[in-house]
Amino acid sequence: GEDVEQSLFLSVREGDSSVINCTYTDSSSTYLYWYKQEPGAGLQLLTYIFSNMDMKQDQRLTVLLNKKDKHLSLRIADTQTGDSAIYFCAEARGGYNKLIFGAGTRLAVHP
Amino acid sequence: NAGVTQTPKFRVLKTGQSMTLLCAQDMNHEYMYWYRQDPGMGLRLIHYSVGEGTTAKGEVPDGYNVSRLKKQNFLLGLESAAPSQTSVYFCASRSSYEQYFGPGTRLTVT
Repeated sequence: GEDVEQSLFLSVREGDSSVINCTYTDSSSTYLYWYKQEPGAGLQLLTYIFSNMDMKQDQRLTVLLNKKDKHLSLRIADTQTGDSAIYFCAEARGGYNKLIFGAGTRLAVHP
Repeated sequence: NAGVTQTPKFRVLKTGQSMTLLCAQDMNHEYMYWYRQDPGMGLRLIHYSVGEGTTAKGEVPDGYNVSRLKKQNFLLGLESAAPSQTSVYFCASRSSYEQYFGPGTRLTVT
């Protein structure tokens, strides 16, 4: 799963925007995903973007995709303490939607 | 509608013991997946199934077997557990483009 790379840690102040970055390697990936994992819990799907899109917005979340550079980002506006978690980027490969995950970015939100 | 459930939640095994992890989904999904999550790593795909009676290998299949006898259940078996299989195991099922994950099973092999 190391074909998908993310920075390991991000610390932000409450109320600021958070930007979590991800790079992937397979240009044929059809969908790219962001999942959230809180301590001791499973993965919660936050959002996903189709590879022919540049941007997707969903309330406080904005996903940007640069297909040429194989770069994906997740912006969280007005970050709250409840957003503290590990965020995983994943790309879908093949016809059976096998997901390849990055190692996750731990987001810490402080007052 | 319970979504994806996994049993057990926790288990401790001794090296060489066997066990089966059960995943159940009530969403009538065709596709189901087993992943493992190790510290500092993302999830890695062990096996998956594209429908009742079918299974296929993922990235890290060695030491595991699976069965999908019923559409709603996907079983992951460890025939002879090894310490390297200490991990958190997640099951998922898929609807169109979205994979839904269970809460996980934490397995320790001593």
